[in-house]
Amino acid sequence: DGGITQSPKYLFRKEGQNVTLSCEQNLNHDAMYWYRQDPGQGLRLIYYSQIVNDFQKGDIAEGYSVSREKKESFPLTVTSAQKNPTAFYLCASTGTSGTGELFFGEGSRLTVL
Amino acid sequence: AQRVTQPEKLLSVFKGAPVELKCNYSYSGSPELFWYVQYSRQRLQLLLRHISRESIKGFTADLNKGETSFHLKKPFAQEEDSAMYYCALSLANSGYALNFGKGTSLLVTP
Repeated sequence: DGGITQSPKYLFRKEGQNVTLSCEQNLNHDAMYWYRQDPGQGLRLIYYSQIVNDFQKGDIAEGYSVSREKKESFPLTVTSAQKNPTAFYLCASTGTSGTGELFFGEGSRLTVL
Repeated sequence: AQRVTQPEKLLSVFKGAPVELKCNYSYSGSPELFWYVQYSRQRLQLLLRHISRESIKGFTADLNKGETSFHLKKPFAQEEDSAMYYCALSLANSGYALNFGKGTSLLVTP
């Protein structure tokens, strides 16, 4: 079953802790993205990666970090430097054909207590 | 600056009525625009893209470069159309990342 898998679905953390969200895809897509979704804010781009071992900051990268060691994996770390980390996080991927269709995961909801 | 504006947070229509979800964009180049939809408890998915000029689930959207708009229309709304709709602009210089509007929640009531 091809697609994008995000885990965990729900995550709680205490203030001051880093947390890593997993994103795996078996679509053989080159490009992967992380978005943050907040009510009334739409989706905002955190980081993206077009190829293994390379990634770029999006609009709201501060307080986040990523890695792209494998084509199928693009984990996102929410660091303690992120001032308002409670949010819904979406991972997406696309082939580099430039058709623009992003395929999304089901999302991870992070709550900071 | 590249930007997508969806002026309506919430749109409520009766079943069978026409519906139009507005989207305006600002982009210096040749835009590639999309509509994505998120049904309750489902993942975000592509509804349609302007380059294909297709009709999906009865929805159409025409790119109007003069008005910089890409409004989504359907002549007769159905209850199953109730969802969150996002207009998005492809950013070729950002790895084809999509710049999303804030979304419009469409509620179709019987």
